[in-house]
Amino acid sequence: KNQVEQSPQSLIILEGKNCTLQCNYTVSPFSNLRWYKQDTGRGPVSLTIMTFSENTKSNGRYTATLDADTKQSSLHITASQLSDSASYICVVSADSGAGSYQLTFGKGTKLSVIP
Amino acid sequence: EPEVTQTPSHQVTQMGQEVILRCVPISNHLYFYWYRQILGQKVEFLVSFYNNEISEKSEIFDDQFSVERPDGSNFTLKIRSTKLEDSAMYFCASQTGHRYGYTFGSGTRLTVV
Repeated sequence: KNQVEQSPQSLIILEGKNCTLQCNYTVSPFSNLRWYKQDTGRGPVSLTIMTFSENTKSNGRYTATLDADTKQSSLHITASQLSDSASYICVVSADSGAGSYQLTFGKGTKLSVIP
Repeated sequence: EPEVTQTPSHQVTQMGQEVILRCVPISNHLYFYWYRQILGQKVEFLVSFYNNEISEKSEIFDDQFSVERPDGSNFTLKIRSTKLEDSAMYFCASQTGHRYGYTFGSGTRLTVV
């Protein structure tokens, strides 16, 4: 069964500090790995997408890494801002072979940035 | 930037009633999805839809659920006889033919009382 596990479950950091969120997955056949930001009561918004051959991908203050051998990914947030407070969800896409890409979601890490 | 639009944003219904959740995907997208998120839990896949038929569905998507693309624009999820445990956020998503193009709507919060 496809699974995505994230840690920590929740995290509180001071504004301006950096943090790293972790993701382990068992999804087959692997297509790509995404990190999403989800504000409470809103839909997920894509931050990064990485395929099997990509080790790192940046989007502003967000940097994601992928180790396809160990099936691990991380999301590093630099110089956190209050607006970074949200759930960060690791999502792995499986290639169904029919053109559609079913997503398997982790439970997310709830990040709170405090002044 | 193109958006996936969902209506209503919040719906309250009595147990046993039928509900229809509506979505307008991005116009040039080819694949359409419904996901749900029970409060405090992770987002779960329900169904994918391509070329006017279901391409994949999860075990959650049982006989009480159905999807339609009635007019080439809207994409609907119907729940025939709602149960308390159907209370959740329901997200629509659409995708281009390319593996990267995946956009979620803002969701419909369904509350069954």
